[in-house]
Amino acid sequence: DAGITQSPRHKVTETGTPVTLRCHQTENHRYMYWYRQDPGHGLRLIHYSYGVKDTDKGEVSDGYSVSRSKTEDFLLTLESATSSQTSVYFCAITQQRQETQYFGPGTRLLVL
Amino acid sequence: GQQLNQSPQSMFIQEGEDVSMNCTSSSIFNTWLWYKQDPGEGPVLLIALYKAGELTSNGRLTAQFGITRKDSFLNISASIPSDVGIYFCAGQVEYGNKLVFGAGTILRVKS
Repeated sequence: DAGITQSPRHKVTETGTPVTLRCHQTENHRYMYWYRQDPGHGLRLIHYSYGVKDTDKGEVSDGYSVSRSKTEDFLLTLESATSSQTSVYFCAITQQRQETQYFGPGTRLLVL
Repeated sequence: GQQLNQSPQSMFIQEGEDVSMNCTSSSIFNTWLWYKQDPGEGPVLLIALYKAGELTSNGRLTAQFGITRKDSFLNISASIPSDVGIYFCAGQVEYGNKLVFGAGTILRVKS
């Protein structure tokens, strides 16, 4: 258990509304990541963070923004949700002394 | 961009059989990881490989980091019903850098 929680775990929203997902970690990991998972695509990186206020884009970053104002929280915002953003979103962290990523339990988002 | 080709896409096997799946890439990776995902949960790390040629076991699971650093395989021996799920390979270029994932192998076991 890498001490990762995600909230909410499930959300239904309407097209055009902003949505924020939260990833919280309790073990002071430097690197945090947001992925989305869709059938046939595996997991694709949206954004990642390598420290407080340090973030960078992944391969599917359009329509998403992130913020990391403190070590333990990494927020993913859908500025104006679209149906194509219906997906399962996973947060991951990298352990400080290891190179492997550990994943949170996921947030299932449905955009109507 | 970097891509991983994972095969097979799905498998349906008898309980007790051995299973093999693999990932190949056109790019070199420094780390290969294998994850398993159960329905409604996040991926869980099974095996991590850090050196070309490395062969690592975790119970009934064995994985190898290919010599060329462009491929990896995962074997499951004597499969049991709880082995069902989706297995993902992932490659990583350097510490802290992003992972590239395969599309997954869906494993179904007949009891």
